[in-house]
Formats: sequence, C-alpha cells, structure tokens
Amino acid sequence: GENVEQHPSTLSVQEGDSAVIKCTYSDSASNYFPWYKQELGKRPQLIIDIRSNVGEKKDQRIAVTLNKTAKHFSLHITETQPEDSAVYFCAARGLQGAQKLVFGQGTRLTINP
Amino acid sequence: EPEVTQTPSHQVTQMGQEVILRCVPISNHLYFYWYRQILGQKVEFLVSFYNNEISEKSEIFDDQFSVERPDGSNFTLKIRSTKLEDSAMYFCASRADTNTEAFFGQGTRLTVV
Repeated sequence: GENVEQHPSTLSVQEGDSAVIKCTYSDSASNYFPWYKQELGKRPQLIIDIRSNVGEKKDQRIAVTLNKTAKHFSLHITETQPEDSAVYFCAARGLQGAQKLVFGQGTRLTINP
Repeated sequence: EPEVTQTPSHQVTQMGQEVILRCVPISNHLYFYWYRQILGQKVEFLVSFYNNEISEKSEIFDDQFSVERPDGSNFTLKIRSTKLEDSAMYFCASRADTNTEAFFGQGTRLTVV
C-alpha cells in the first residue's frame, strides 16, 4: 500500500523567510496530493492540492511542486507570517474510486517574529 | 458554505463501553470516510464508505468497529467495546466524487478512561 514520508518533523523560521516541507510517496498510482494545515485541536484544512498532470501550482504565498519521476512533492510558503504557525500534513491518494488519503507524519512549523 | 458536522465534540467513556460517533456529511457527497488521529501523531485512515457499503478498511478497523448510514444523512462510527488505546480525535470526511477534495469535520475527541 501507499506510504508517505514527510520531512522535517519540526521547522522554525523567521517571519518573512520561506519555509519548505518535503514529502515522498511510494505508490506510483497515486495522482492527487493535497496539503493540509492543522491548528491545535482543529480539523485539517486543505490549503493547496496538486494533481499528477501538473508540475507546479501556486496560490498567493503558497506553492506546491510535484516530481512524479522521483515520487516527491513539496510545499513552499514564502513571506511567512506568525499565523502560518501550525502543523502541516501532506497526503497522497489515487483518483479512482473511494480512495483513502494516506497522510505524512506532519511538520510543526513555527514562525518566529 | 456547507460543511461536515460531527457530534459530540468530546466524548468521555469508560473502557469496555460502546460509543457512537455521529457525522453529517455534506448533502450531495457520495464518499464518506472516518480517520483517527492519536494526540501528536498523523491522521490515519480507518474506513471508506460508498454506495451504502464499506469500500476499504484499514487494519485498525477491526471487529470492534462498524459504520452505518442509517437514514441517508447521518454517517456513524460505532466502537463496541472501547479500549484505552481508542482514545483519539476521530474525523469524519466526505467527498463529492472521484475528482474532488475531501472535506473534514471538526472532529470528536474520544477519551477512554
């Protein structure tokens, strides 16, 4: 089955700097890769996703890149702000049928003012 | 904006007792899921449900677990005889079709004492 590895487990950056979180997946059939932000005690919130027919997607300060050959994808947050502090999870899923999301272990991102 | 709702938000139960966690998915969605998150850990898939039957279940989803969609709106997760290790946040999610994102409920925190 699918296995998703996420690094780093914790990341601390200065406000205004960029943050990068990386994930690798094992199942080449996976073709949908969402990123979720989870604040303490809250539900995971989708912040950006990418499908396998696209190499990069950007939404304001957030971007995701996908390398299907290497089976890895990354989240990039630019001009970080204190409200970006949260736990971020990557996930992978096939697009057919009632496919489950397989999550990475999570990255605790702390933005230092 | 439509959302997935879960009740209760927090449930405390004694070991060995049965619990039912309730979810109301978004009304036109077809795929339903339960996920679990033990405190400080990643989100783990439990079960997917489509067309009134289980599509896939994980190793966690043993004979103590069951799901139902009794009335076309509610989606429930039952744990027959709770164990201490069942303590976790349980998230319900739903998805409209194969090409859309999953929406998560706010979660039910289950504490088994």
